[in-house]
Amino acid sequence: DTAVSQTPKYLVTQMGNDKSIKCEQNLGHDTMYWYKQDSKKFLKIMFSYNNKELIINETVPNRFSPKSPDKAHLNLHINSLELGDSAVYFCASSQASVETQYFGPGTRLLVL
Amino acid sequence: GEDVEQSLFLSVREGDSSVINCTYTDSSSTYLYWYKQEPGAGLQLLTYIFSNMDMKQDQRLTVLLNKKDKHLSLRIADTQTGDSAIYFCAESAGGYQKVTFGTGTKLQVIP
Repeated sequence: DTAVSQTPKYLVTQMGNDKSIKCEQNLGHDTMYWYKQDSKKFLKIMFSYNNKELIINETVPNRFSPKSPDKAHLNLHINSLELGDSAVYFCASSQASVETQYFGPGTRLLVL
Repeated sequence: GEDVEQSLFLSVREGDSSVINCTYTDSSSTYLYWYKQEPGAGLQLLTYIFSNMDMKQDQRLTVLLNKKDKHLSLRIADTQTGDSAIYFCAESAGGYQKVTFGTGTKLQVIP
């Protein structure tokens, strides 16, 4: 009974490629997020969607494009991957009325 | 902008108490959280406290909030080896719950 799931768990790819990471939550939450955790474990929010609408868009290169087909899914597409994109990407979800975010297991992206 | 800071490393002996500290700058913080990240895993919410509270206790965990000094601490009583992890302090000022995380404190428990 996975609450927040991400695929793939690991992603190794070459510079310049385009890749997608998928996130799904079965908690019935209305808000979903993408976070990036760098090699020093620093965690920073990238995007937030509430009811399929973009709410938070931090200073992220426009090579990163989130897409929310429905409330339960928030995918992250990355164009023209760069070495600096190597990190762990975490998806999270919450219910707007409750201040608690539930995190997925993370996707470890390595760009060579 | 918001800033949340923590010391990077803490080492304690099994059975002792651990105290992890955190300072934040946003005076409009409404909720303050503690998350735990075990190696290779995602973040697990341990506990949270509303900004109008001073203290919250949950089994071995005690959270203290000094709102005047913008200081948050997490005390783990009777620390066990399974408590070894990175602990993140985080704050939210509300507004669609933008959460700002601290730099994380790596807790090492020595048997």
